[in-house]
Amino acid sequence: DGGITQSPKYLFRKEGQNVTLSCEQNLNHDAMYWYRQDPGQGLRLIYYSQIVNDFQKGDIAEGYSVSREKKESFPLTVTSAQKNPTAFYLCASSRQQGFEAFFGQGTRLTVV
Amino acid sequence: GENVEQHPSTLSVQEGDSAVIKCTYSDSASNYFPWYKQELGKGPQLIIDIRSNVGEKKDQRIAVTLNKTAKHFSLHITETQPEDSAVYFCAASWSNFGNEKLTFGTGTRLTIIP
Repeated sequence: DGGITQSPKYLFRKEGQNVTLSCEQNLNHDAMYWYRQDPGQGLRLIYYSQIVNDFQKGDIAEGYSVSREKKESFPLTVTSAQKNPTAFYLCASSRQQGFEAFFGQGTRLTVV
Repeated sequence: GENVEQHPSTLSVQEGDSAVIKCTYSDSASNYFPWYKQELGKGPQLIIDIRSNVGEKKDQRIAVTLNKTAKHFSLHITETQPEDSAVYFCAASWSNFGNEKLTFGTGTRLTIIP
């Protein structure tokens, strides 16, 4: 089955630690995205990538980093510089920007 | 940048009645307007979308209307069913030097009352 897979579903992190969230897609999509979702707010764009080895900052990139070494993979690292990292993180992909985006099931990150 | 406002934030309707969710956008260059449904603990799923060259689009019980002049678009769900209960997000896509980014509204929690 084609789709987009995020792992893990739940993640706990101690303050001061970096953590990496996985996102893999087998839809052969060029574009991939990371969004953050907080209660009562819409989805806010962290980073996006239109092609392998290229990515751009979204609206709330501070404290996050990404890589796009393979077309199917777009991992997100939440660094210790992110002041309020507890949130629900969603990865998405699309054939190209401006077309239907398919979302993963999300990773809920909690800083303890 | 683009700003998308969505109303209402919560909506309760009797099963079988219609539900309407409205969004406004700020950037007249936006030309793609999808609607997503998110069930608890899951990622959003596209339910319908519309492009700026079309005023209305319908898919069974779901329809979307777009008014480019007023810069607003709406989701209409008819004959609502319990499985329609979820959070719905609108979004708008705008271009900036060839890069298009989806900007989302803040969501509407729809509850269908049996």
